[in-house]
Amino acid sequence: NAGVTQTPKFQVLKTGQSMTLQCAQDMNHEYMSWYRQDPGMGLRLIHYSVGAGITDQGEVPNGYNVSRSTTEDFPLRLLSAAPSQTSVYFCASSKYKGQGNSPLHFGNGTRLTVT
Amino acid sequence: AQSVTQLDSHVSVSEGTPVLLRCNYSSSYSPSLFWYVQHPNKGLQLLLKYTSAATLVKGINGFEAEFKKSETSFHLTKPSAHMSDAAEYFCVVSFLSGGYNKLIFGAGTRLAVHP
Repeated sequence: NAGVTQTPKFQVLKTGQSMTLQCAQDMNHEYMSWYRQDPGMGLRLIHYSVGAGITDQGEVPNGYNVSRSTTEDFPLRLLSAAPSQTSVYFCASSKYKGQGNSPLHFGNGTRLTVT
Repeated sequence: AQSVTQLDSHVSVSEGTPVLLRCNYSSSYSPSLFWYVQHPNKGLQLLLKYTSAATLVKGINGFEAEFKKSETSFHLTKPSAHMSDAAEYFCVVSFLSGGYNKLIFGAGTRLAVHP
């Protein structure tokens, strides 16, 4: 069972560069999301999707784009990297979009450093 | 407004002694509550969840949590700590808003276990 797969595991960017963080799940989950984790701040939602073709902004969406062309994939694009985007990024999915007790399944994270 | 507060950023225990990680929440709705654990360089893993079926919830690895509505608390406990329990723990409140899951993460509690 692959679950949620994120690539790459580590990435170093220079300010102004762009890149895409990949996320794929093989559990046929409706809901997918991207979080960033910063020390002492827990996890903050960047963008989420409740199904193919449907995305919406979370708590901290600025500087990031997403798309959901298939149920399985939910890439996160950094348009012009800034040092403030140095963080650990997690992709997470859950089976149901509208069931409050549906737990999240997390990938292992991408550690991004912007210099 | 919904919120979650983890009362300790760091907890240190000796192996074999009890563990108590504290979480208070605020919710206008009947919440679903979760505890997740994150081991170093890994994604978050579900420990247990409360969904109004029973106030005492048992999770994996000997952890349990008790939902106390009068105290708006959902503290995580374990009778006897093991070295492998050293990790970061997140309390999460989930509620439905606009038909979709909304999640709020606590800032996390880092548990250290000493021999």
